[in-house]
Amino acid sequence: AQKITQTQPGMFVQEKEAVTLDCTYDTSDPSYGLFWYKQPSSGEMIFLIYQGSYDQQNATEGRYSLNFQKARKSANLVISASQLGDSAMYFCAMREGPKTSYDKVIFGPGTSLSVIP
Amino acid sequence: DTAVSQTPKYLVTQMGNDKSIKCEQNLGHDTMYWYKQDSKKFLKIMFSYNNKELIINETVPNRFSPKSPDKAHLNLHINSLELGDSAVYFCASSQGPLSGPEAFFGQGTRLTVV
Repeated sequence: AQKITQTQPGMFVQEKEAVTLDCTYDTSDPSYGLFWYKQPSSGEMIFLIYQGSYDQQNATEGRYSLNFQKARKSANLVISASQLGDSAMYFCAMREGPKTSYDKVIFGPGTSLSVIP
Repeated sequence: DTAVSQTPKYLVTQMGNDKSIKCEQNLGHDTMYWYKQDSKKFLKIMFSYNNKELIINETVPNRFSPKSPDKAHLNLHINSLELGDSAVYFCASSQGPLSGPEAFFGQGTRLTVV
């Protein structure tokens, strides 16, 4: 069964608008971490943001914020004020187990975001 | 300086050949990984090493053999290449289990088997 679901294979957003990329996850482990990575057309994977399952506040990094709803098991990425350079694939990922466990990060299928001028 | 570097970036080879992909990180991280990204962009972990020791070994054909000569290097050797091995292979590193949740990725190696 899919542990990470990203239901939007492709998204479009107008430049300067905000966009939300959906991610739901499945785990029975009370301790886990959630990540978002960006993969532009050049191919490299770029870490964006991290949320720990016990973190009290939603993570934010510049224009990126993570809307963490633990009961719903969702970890949506919000990009504010979209820029043309935000056009890329976005991957949601999860590490099950506490930070003290060795990392095994599982990736979702990705969402392709296109920013329209 | 590139934090995680892989060579080569592109690799085209014939079926049946043996090839290696090298990975080096200069971040002082303890843990290194190999991921495979298929044509549908799906990323899946293959191996993980912590301080030169294998800690994750997913269901991967034994034609794939990782080797970690030291904690800064994790190479991937592939024997008897098959068409289905064509993919982008990413090396990554992270600080390890105790800190630094994010992994830093290399630029990827696009392997094409013909």
